Order: sequence, then C-alpha cells, then structure tokens
Amino acid sequence: QKEVEQDPGPLSVPEGAIVSLNCTYSNSAFQYFMWYRQYSRKGPELLMYTYSSGNKEDGRFTAQVDKSSKYISLFIRDSQPSDSATYLCAMSVWSYGGSQGNLIFGKGTKLSVKP
Amino acid sequence: ETGVTQSPTHLIKTRGQQVTLRCSSQSGHNTVSWYQQALGQGPQFIFQYYREEENGRGNFPPRFSGLQFPNYSSELNVNALELDDSALYLCASSLGPMDYTFGSGTRLTVV
Repeated sequence: QKEVEQDPGPLSVPEGAIVSLNCTYSNSAFQYFMWYRQYSRKGPELLMYTYSSGNKEDGRFTAQVDKSSKYISLFIRDSQPSDSATYLCAMSVWSYGGSQGNLIFGKGTKLSVKP
Repeated sequence: ETGVTQSPTHLIKTRGQQVTLRCSSQSGHNTVSWYQQALGQGPQFIFQYYREEENGRGNFPPRFSGLQFPNYSSELNVNALELDDSALYLCASSLGPMDYTFGSGTRLTVV
C-alpha cells in the first residue's frame, strides 16, 4: 500500500461546478497537509495547507482533514476554466532539528473545467 | 523577493553520461529539497540539504548526489544516467514545514 493514494482522474466538469478532490493516507504520523496546483510544464504551486485536523477556507477553496479516517479533501466552488490543472495532495512530518519534513505526494488528479 | 530558479530548463543526455542541475533558493530560505517527477506521477523526494549538509534522503541510489552552497543554492548531480532517469527534476526551498516554494523544474531526457 502506497503512503498516499490519490485518484489520477482525469476529471472533467462544466464551468461553475463544485469539484471534490480527495486523498487517503496510511501514515498516522503525518501532521501537515497541503494541496498544490501544477500547470503543464510548471512546478507545483501551494494552494492551501492545514496543520492536523479541521477545515480551512480560502476564497473558492476549502481544505478538510479527517485524521481519524486518514482522509483529506479539497473542494473548489464555482470552478473556472483557469482552474484546469493537476492537483497534488502532499503531507509531511516535521520536527525541529530532524529531517525537515520531506513532502510525500499523491499521484495528482488532472482536472479540466469546460466553459 | 525572487522565487526559486532552476537551470537549465531542458536538456538531453545519453545513457551513461553525467548531469548537473542547479537551483537558486528563494531569498531567506535555508533548506533546499530535490524531487523527481516522472510523467503522470507525483514528485518523489530525492534528498534535502540544510545549512550545506544532507538532511534526509529518499529511496534513490548513491549515483544521485548533491551539494548546497553557503548562499543556500544547490546542485543535483546524477552519474551513469539511465533511461528511467528521464523526468522533471524539481527543486524546492523552504524555511519551515508549510512554505515550500518550487521552481519550474529541469526536464531531463536520457536517450
């Protein structure tokens, strides 16, 4: 079993739809949970991050972490064609003085928002 | 404030050759990590450098090596290139657990 599982899609939705992206993980030591957006031929760009469990909202984006189920989600409201990209979940364990929390990524979900 | 800069953007090498990739970290970031991203996959951790010392390594063979310089810039060296080394190589700089900033990557093709 991989440490982080993410459905690679592709996922195609009409403009204005609500998008739900998900990852599951097996390592209960993960503390930091992140969502990155990656456009073609570019590096990943941090969208949102959460420490431990809970929800976080930023504009049209909401990130949820459920540590009891080892499940994280990213919701995109009122999706736009400019949201078309690959979305990567990432998680880490981080401690001062130790290995500074290398990121473990999911495979990425390719999202296409059609006008 | 500049972001993370990687060079070159693309290169093609022959199997068995050696390659050096370069990364300039974001201003103020003292930690540099390197990732390999194969087509259709998520980035995989290669290693991390903190204050010029290796500070963690992923499941990559010793022919993958690196350096970090006093200005926190970094190099990734790969010896004896194999066809499977063809990938996007990403550098990320950070100061803490949440602020990884990635460069646009170097696309390496091994033929």
